[in-house]
Amino acid sequence: VQLMESGGELVQPGGSLRLSCAASGFTFSIYSMMWVRQAPGKGLEWVSYISVSGTTTYYADSVKGRLTISRDNAKNSLYLQMSSLRVEDTAVYYCARCPGSWRLDPWGQGTLVTVSS
Amino acid sequence: QSALTQPPSASGSPGQSVTISCTGTSSDVGGYNYVSWYQQHPDKAPQLIIYEVTKRPSGVPDRFSGSKSGNTASLTVSGLQAEDEADYYCSSNAGSNSLVFGGGTKLTVL
Repeated sequence: VQLMESGGELVQPGGSLRLSCAASGFTFSIYSMMWVRQAPGKGLEWVSYISVSGTTTYYADSVKGRLTISRDNAKNSLYLQMSSLRVEDTAVYYCARCPGSWRLDPWGQGTLVTVSS
Repeated sequence: QSALTQPPSASGSPGQSVTISCTGTSSDVGGYNYVSWYQQHPDKAPQLIIYEVTKRPSGVPDRFSGSKSGNTASLTVSGLQAEDEADYYCSSNAGSNSLVFGGGTKLTVL
Protein backbone atom coordinates (compact mmCIF):
# COMPACT_ATOMS: atom_id res chain seq x y z
CA VAL A 1 0.00 0.00 0.00
CA GLN A 2 1.58 3.24 -1.11
CA LEU A 3 0.61 6.85 -1.68
CA MET A 4 2.94 9.24 -3.44
CA GLU A 5 2.27 12.97 -3.71
CA SER A 6 3.75 15.27 -6.32
CA GLY A 7 3.34 18.78 -7.68
CA GLY A 8 4.52 20.87 -4.79
CA GLU A 9 6.70 23.88 -5.66
CA LEU A 10 7.30 27.57 -5.04
CA VAL A 11 4.41 29.73 -6.21
CA GLN A 12 3.60 33.42 -5.84
CA PRO A 13 0.68 34.67 -3.75
CA GLY A 14 -2.48 34.58 -5.81
CA GLY A 15 -1.13 31.78 -7.96
CA SER A 16 -2.40 28.31 -8.70
CA LEU A 17 -1.05 24.80 -8.35
CA ARG A 18 -2.28 21.24 -8.79
CA LEU A 19 -1.15 18.49 -6.47
CA SER A 20 -1.42 14.81 -7.37
CA CYS A 21 -1.41 11.67 -5.27
CA ALA A 22 -0.73 8.32 -6.96
CA ALA A 23 -2.09 5.29 -5.17
CA SER A 24 -0.79 1.74 -5.52
CA GLY A 25 -1.05 -1.61 -3.76
CA PHE A 26 -4.76 -1.38 -2.97
CA THR A 27 -8.12 -0.93 -4.67
CA PHE A 28 -8.20 2.86 -4.80
CA SER A 29 -11.80 3.06 -6.02
CA ILE A 30 -13.33 1.69 -2.81
CA TYR A 31 -11.74 4.12 -0.37
CA SER A 32 -12.53 7.68 0.59
CA MET A 33 -9.48 9.94 0.58
CA MET A 34 -8.33 13.11 2.30
CA TRP A 35 -5.73 15.85 2.15
CA VAL A 36 -4.02 17.06 5.33
CA ARG A 37 -1.38 19.77 5.54
CA GLN A 38 1.34 20.75 7.97
CA ALA A 39 2.89 24.20 7.98
CA PRO A 40 6.63 24.29 8.77
CA GLY A 41 7.16 23.54 12.45
CA LYS A 42 3.41 23.39 13.08
CA GLY A 43 0.74 20.78 13.67
CA LEU A 44 -1.55 18.87 11.35
CA GLU A 45 -4.52 20.59 9.70
CA TRP A 46 -7.27 18.74 7.87
CA VAL A 47 -7.87 20.19 4.41
CA SER A 48 -10.41 18.15 2.48
CA TYR A 49 -12.31 14.87 2.07
CA ILE A 50 -13.65 13.10 -1.00
CA SER A 51 -15.99 10.12 -1.15
CA VAL A 52 -15.43 6.91 -3.08
CA SER A 53 -17.29 8.12 -6.16
CA GLY A 54 -16.11 11.70 -5.87
CA THR A 55 -19.63 13.05 -5.63
CA THR A 56 -19.27 14.14 -1.98
CA THR A 57 -16.55 16.56 -0.91
CA TYR A 58 -15.88 18.48 2.30
CA TYR A 59 -13.45 21.31 3.02
CA ALA A 60 -11.94 23.11 5.97
CA ASP A 61 -13.27 26.66 6.30
CA SER A 62 -9.74 28.00 5.72
CA VAL A 63 -9.60 26.63 2.17
CA LYS A 64 -13.24 26.59 1.09
CA GLY A 65 -13.72 28.21 -2.30
CA ARG A 66 -9.99 28.16 -3.13
CA LEU A 67 -8.99 24.49 -3.04
CA THR A 68 -10.81 21.72 -4.93
CA ILE A 69 -10.39 18.01 -4.30
CA SER A 70 -11.04 15.48 -7.05
CA ARG A 71 -10.16 11.95 -8.02
CA ASP A 72 -9.79 9.72 -11.06
CA ASN A 73 -10.47 6.12 -10.06
CA ALA A 74 -9.40 4.85 -13.48
CA LYS A 75 -5.96 6.37 -12.90
CA ASN A 76 -5.78 5.55 -9.16
CA SER A 77 -5.14 9.20 -8.51
CA LEU A 78 -6.25 11.92 -6.12
CA TYR A 79 -5.85 15.63 -6.87
CA LEU A 80 -5.93 18.98 -5.10
CA GLN A 81 -6.42 22.01 -7.32
CA MET A 82 -5.19 25.07 -5.47
CA SER A 83 -5.99 28.65 -6.53
CA SER A 84 -5.79 32.13 -5.00
CA LEU A 85 -2.92 30.82 -2.92
CA ARG A 86 -1.89 32.71 0.20
CA VAL A 87 1.34 32.80 2.18
CA GLU A 88 -0.46 30.90 4.95
CA ASP A 89 -1.07 27.98 2.57
CA THR A 90 2.65 27.17 2.77
CA ALA A 91 2.86 23.62 4.08
CA VAL A 92 3.65 20.01 3.39
CA TYR A 93 0.53 18.49 1.88
CA TYR A 94 -0.20 14.85 2.63
CA CYS A 95 -2.74 12.62 0.96
CA ALA A 96 -4.15 9.80 3.07
CA ARG A 97 -6.52 6.89 2.69
CA CYS A 98 -9.64 6.80 4.85
CA PRO A 99 -10.68 3.18 5.56
CA GLY A 100 -13.58 4.42 7.64
CA SER A 101 -14.40 6.03 10.99
CA TRP A 102 -12.52 9.17 9.95
CA ARG A 103 -9.14 7.51 10.45
CA LEU A 104 -6.25 8.04 8.03
CA ASP A 105 -4.09 5.09 7.11
CA PRO A 106 -1.68 5.17 5.41
CA TRP A 107 -0.30 8.61 4.58
CA GLY A 108 1.90 9.61 1.67
CA GLN A 109 5.34 11.11 2.22
CA GLY A 110 4.05 14.63 1.51
CA THR A 111 4.83 17.36 -1.00
CA LEU A 112 5.94 20.87 -0.05
CA VAL A 113 4.03 23.89 -1.30
CA THR A 114 5.70 27.25 -0.70
CA VAL A 115 3.73 30.43 -1.34
CA SER A 116 6.06 33.39 -1.41
CA SER A 117 6.94 36.39 -3.53
CA GLN B 1 -13.48 23.74 13.37
CA SER B 2 -11.45 24.63 16.46
CA ALA B 3 -8.41 22.47 17.14
CA LEU B 4 -8.54 19.90 19.91
CA THR B 5 -6.43 20.75 22.96
CA GLN B 6 -3.30 18.72 23.72
CA PRO B 7 -0.42 19.51 26.09
CA PRO B 8 2.55 20.79 24.08
CA SER B 9 4.94 18.38 25.73
CA ALA B 10 5.17 15.20 27.80
CA SER B 11 8.05 13.14 29.06
CA GLY B 12 8.97 9.96 30.83
CA SER B 13 11.90 7.68 31.51
CA PRO B 14 12.39 4.36 29.73
CA GLY B 15 10.04 1.74 31.11
CA GLN B 16 7.65 4.28 32.58
CA SER B 17 4.14 5.10 31.38
CA VAL B 18 2.98 8.45 30.06
CA THR B 19 -0.51 9.67 29.21
CA ILE B 20 -1.35 12.39 26.70
CA SER B 21 -4.74 14.07 26.83
CA CYS B 22 -6.86 15.43 24.00
CA THR B 23 -9.75 17.70 24.96
CA GLY B 24 -12.56 18.70 22.66
CA THR B 25 -16.26 19.36 22.98
CA SER B 26 -19.53 17.50 22.77
CA SER B 27 -19.53 18.35 19.06
CA ASP B 28 -16.41 16.31 18.36
CA VAL B 29 -14.58 14.10 20.89
CA GLY B 30 -17.53 13.81 23.27
CA GLY B 31 -20.13 13.18 20.61
CA TYR B 32 -18.54 10.37 18.64
CA ASN B 33 -16.24 7.36 19.05
CA TYR B 34 -14.05 8.30 16.09
CA VAL B 35 -10.98 9.51 17.96
CA SER B 36 -7.69 8.55 16.35
CA TRP B 37 -4.07 9.02 17.39
CA TYR B 38 -1.05 9.47 15.14
CA GLN B 39 2.67 9.22 15.77
CA GLN B 40 5.02 11.41 13.75
CA HIS B 41 8.80 11.13 13.85
CA PRO B 42 10.87 14.09 12.60
CA ASP B 43 10.63 14.61 8.84
CA LYS B 44 8.36 11.59 8.48
CA ALA B 45 4.70 11.20 7.62
CA PRO B 46 2.25 10.58 10.47
CA GLN B 47 1.35 6.98 11.26
CA LEU B 48 -1.96 5.77 12.70
CA ILE B 49 -1.53 4.10 16.11
CA ILE B 50 -5.06 4.20 17.60
CA TYR B 51 -8.48 4.49 15.98
CA GLU B 52 -12.08 4.44 17.20
CA VAL B 53 -10.80 5.52 20.64
CA THR B 54 -9.30 2.19 21.69
CA LYS B 55 -8.42 0.06 18.64
CA ARG B 56 -4.88 -0.61 17.46
CA PRO B 57 -4.00 -1.27 13.80
CA SER B 58 -2.09 -4.45 13.18
CA GLY B 59 1.60 -4.01 13.84
CA VAL B 60 1.19 -1.35 16.52
CA PRO B 61 2.60 -2.55 19.86
CA ASP B 62 0.12 -3.10 22.67
CA ARG B 63 2.14 -0.62 24.71
CA PHE B 64 -0.06 1.98 23.03
CA SER B 65 -3.62 2.25 24.34
CA GLY B 66 -6.45 4.74 24.06
CA SER B 67 -9.43 5.73 26.14
CA LYS B 68 -12.07 8.42 26.40
CA SER B 69 -14.12 10.05 29.14
CA GLY B 70 -16.60 12.73 28.24
CA ASN B 71 -14.97 15.32 25.99
CA THR B 72 -11.42 14.15 26.71
CA ALA B 73 -9.58 11.32 24.99
CA SER B 74 -6.26 9.95 26.20
CA LEU B 75 -3.32 8.06 24.76
CA THR B 76 -1.19 6.00 27.14
CA VAL B 77 2.23 4.73 26.21
CA SER B 78 3.41 2.05 28.62
CA GLY B 79 6.92 0.70 28.97
CA LEU B 80 8.40 3.74 27.25
CA GLN B 81 11.13 3.04 24.74
CA ALA B 82 13.58 5.39 23.06
CA GLU B 83 11.84 4.98 19.70
CA ASP B 84 8.59 6.31 21.18
CA GLU B 85 10.10 9.79 21.18
CA ALA B 86 7.98 11.60 18.59
CA ASP B 87 5.11 14.01 18.11
CA TYR B 88 1.63 12.66 18.80
CA TYR B 89 -1.60 14.03 17.38
CA CYS B 90 -5.21 13.20 18.17
CA SER B 91 -8.08 13.70 15.76
CA SER B 92 -11.84 13.46 15.82
CA ASN B 93 -14.61 14.00 13.40
CA ALA B 94 -16.62 17.13 14.11
CA GLY B 95 -20.01 16.19 12.84
CA SER B 96 -20.50 14.41 9.56
CA ASN B 97 -18.44 16.67 7.34
CA SER B 98 -15.17 17.66 8.96
CA LEU B 99 -12.13 16.37 10.79
CA VAL B 100 -10.22 18.21 13.48
CA PHE B 101 -6.74 17.56 14.87
CA GLY B 102 -5.15 18.39 18.18
CA GLY B 103 -2.23 20.77 18.30
CA GLY B 104 0.21 17.94 18.91
CA THR B 105 2.30 16.75 21.87
CA LYS B 106 6.05 16.30 21.74
CA LEU B 107 6.94 13.20 23.75
CA THR B 108 10.47 13.10 25.14
CA VAL B 109 12.00 9.92 26.51
CA LEU B 110 14.41 11.04 29.20
